[in-house]
Amino acid sequence: KAGVTQTPRYLIKTRGQQVTLSCSPISGHRSVSWYQQTPGQGLQFLFEYFSETQRNKGNFPGRFSGRQFSNSRSEMNVSTLELGDSALYLCASSLEGDRGKYFGPGTRLTVL
Amino acid sequence: GIQVEQSPPDLILQEGANSTLRCNFSDSVNNLQWFHQNPWGQLINLFYIPSGTKQNGRLSATTVATERYSLLYISSSQTTDSGVYFCVLRRGQNFVFGPGTRLSVLP
Repeated sequence: KAGVTQTPRYLIKTRGQQVTLSCSPISGHRSVSWYQQTPGQGLQFLFEYFSETQRNKGNFPGRFSGRQFSNSRSEMNVSTLELGDSALYLCASSLEGDRGKYFGPGTRLTVL
Repeated sequence: GIQVEQSPPDLILQEGANSTLRCNFSDSVNNLQWFHQNPWGQLINLFYIPSGTKQNGRLSATTVATERYSLLYISSSQTTDSGVYFCVLRRGQNFVFGPGTRLSVLP
């Protein structure tokens, strides 16, 4: 069974631009969640989707948004990029909820 | 919001040694998990353990929810155990990662 895939793996953007990251969950998994990891703030929860509906949201500004498609694939979008948005963005999938969560390899975003 | 502390922050072991990692939290939680992030950044789910004790090979975990702590035991450590160990808590909609314990296992 293929694992969680994230594309792209690396991305360089400049301040003010926007970016879209993609996450394909394990086949059959309906829950997808997103996380940001930085050296200063550690790992932080962004949002969680289940069956195309956002179930939970972390404490991030509205520039961070996401969505989930009917095939459970998910995208997250960051608009008006700031230098502080440079981070490793991780997504995880599970059948439902927190149990049995599998993480993707992450997308490393660098904002210049 | 809920506060999570992990100790020790850093740990260096010789291969074959045993260790105990601790996670303290400030409020009741819906669930608690332990994850391992390897040196290449991959996060791996170790335990889903809101209460009680579980074992998986050389690893075991115990959560005492009433006393607001969880312990992760690693026995006969191997170099592949190196990385950062996170406890992660869910309380309502809030999903909080601890700061992690960085483990280095030397050959």
